[in-house]
Amino acid sequence: EDQVTQSPEALRLQEGESSSLNCSYTVSGLRGLFWYRQDPGKGPEFLFTLYSAGEEKEKERLKATLTKKESFLHITAPKPEDSATYLCAVHASNSGYALNFGKGTSLLVT
Amino acid sequence: EAGVTQSPTHLIKTRGQQATLRCSPISGHTSVYWYQQALGLGLQFLLWYDEGEERNRGNFPPRFSGRQFPNYSSELNVNALELEDSALYLCASSLTLYNEQFFGPGTRLTVL
Repeated sequence: EDQVTQSPEALRLQEGESSSLNCSYTVSGLRGLFWYRQDPGKGPEFLFTLYSAGEEKEKERLKATLTKKESFLHITAPKPEDSATYLCAVHASNSGYALNFGKGTSLLVT
Repeated sequence: EAGVTQSPTHLIKTRGQQATLRCSPISGHTSVYWYQQALGLGLQFLLWYDEGEERNRGNFPPRFSGRQFPNYSSELNVNALELEDSALYLCASSLTLYNEQFFGPGTRLTVL
């Protein structure tokens, strides 16, 4: 069965303290891995798509990387406005085009 | 470019009633997806519509149903509401299959 696991569940950082969020996956035939940001009570906001191992994408203080088993979302010198829940999702070849989401990492930057 | 829109923002129903939620995709997107986000459970896939047809459904009972209209907007119907149906219902659209999905703001359904 396809699985997407995110760690840690929650992370508290000081402003400027860089860190990484992890998304490990076990799927049959990865077609794409997606990162989203979600603020409380709102819909997820698209951040990145990664399709193959070794691929990297950057946007402001965020950088996403992908290996054959996991993806990392690196946050460099975070600011309080980066506080949100970060969701990882995968498209697998047997998923019928639905996204399979992890439970997310809740990030608080103070 | 307008994003995905959903209505209503909030919906309060009592157990046993029916709820109807609406979604308009980004212009040009033909695929619409529905997800349920219940507290502590993460996003769970409900239904996928493409070109007016239901293409796939998640592990939810038949009382969750919907349709897609010729203009690609979509409606989610939940019959015989149960307390555990209380959740944020999210609609997403995509330009092509296997591309990123863009989400709307959601409808918060509360079942009393």
